[in-house]
Amino acid sequence: EAAVTQSPRNKVAVTGGKVTLSCNQTNNHNNMYWYRQDTGHGLRLIHYSYGAGSTEKGDIPDGYKASRPSQENFSLILELATPSQTSVYFCASGGWGGQNTLYFGAGTRLSVL
Amino acid sequence: SQWGEENLQALSIQEGEDVTMNCSYKTYTTVVQWYRQKSGKGPAQLILIRSNEREKRSGRLRATLDTSSQSSSLSITGTLATDTAVYFCASFNTNTGKLTFGDGTVLTVKP
Repeated sequence: EAAVTQSPRNKVAVTGGKVTLSCNQTNNHNNMYWYRQDTGHGLRLIHYSYGAGSTEKGDIPDGYKASRPSQENFSLILELATPSQTSVYFCASGGWGGQNTLYFGAGTRLSVL
Repeated sequence: SQWGEENLQALSIQEGEDVTMNCSYKTYTTVVQWYRQKSGKGPAQLILIRSNEREKRSGRLRATLDTSSQSSSLSITGTLATDTAVYFCASFNTNTGKLTFGDGTVLTVKP
């Protein structure tokens, strides 16, 4: 069973503060993704990566940075957190394109006050 | 958005009933995936259907894909209370190479 672990599971941050969300996968997948999910909406792609050292912008990258230091780890960084970034964030690993299944972590609930 | 407004909906049914969830998409796709998300969990893939398949079955699940109308459906027969979840369709955008999710259907199955 594919395994994707996110930390922390819950985070409260202050406006203007720096937040780092971490993701670790043991699936040996090349591709990793960060999505956010807001109430009543589907998942929106923030950043993704093809492998160690690579990061690409997704559909809503503004206000976020990403880092992929190794095959297993992919971080999402909010340099200056804002209340509009309050959301649930999901990390996923898998293949690229429609033929491949994405395996998701359990999510990180972030509140920016 | 790649998805039409009708994609966001909530359904409440009794256990044992059959249900069909629909989604439509605006851009050309060759693959649609359906995911299920239970409360407090990440989404998990249920079924994948390609444009040359029109219909795909897996246990109590049946997915269809109509590329001419740019729509897909997921049917569940003999629902169980444990089928209560949010169901998402996701389409592979051949222009961007990304998997884009719809807003989902909240399904409640009452025991």
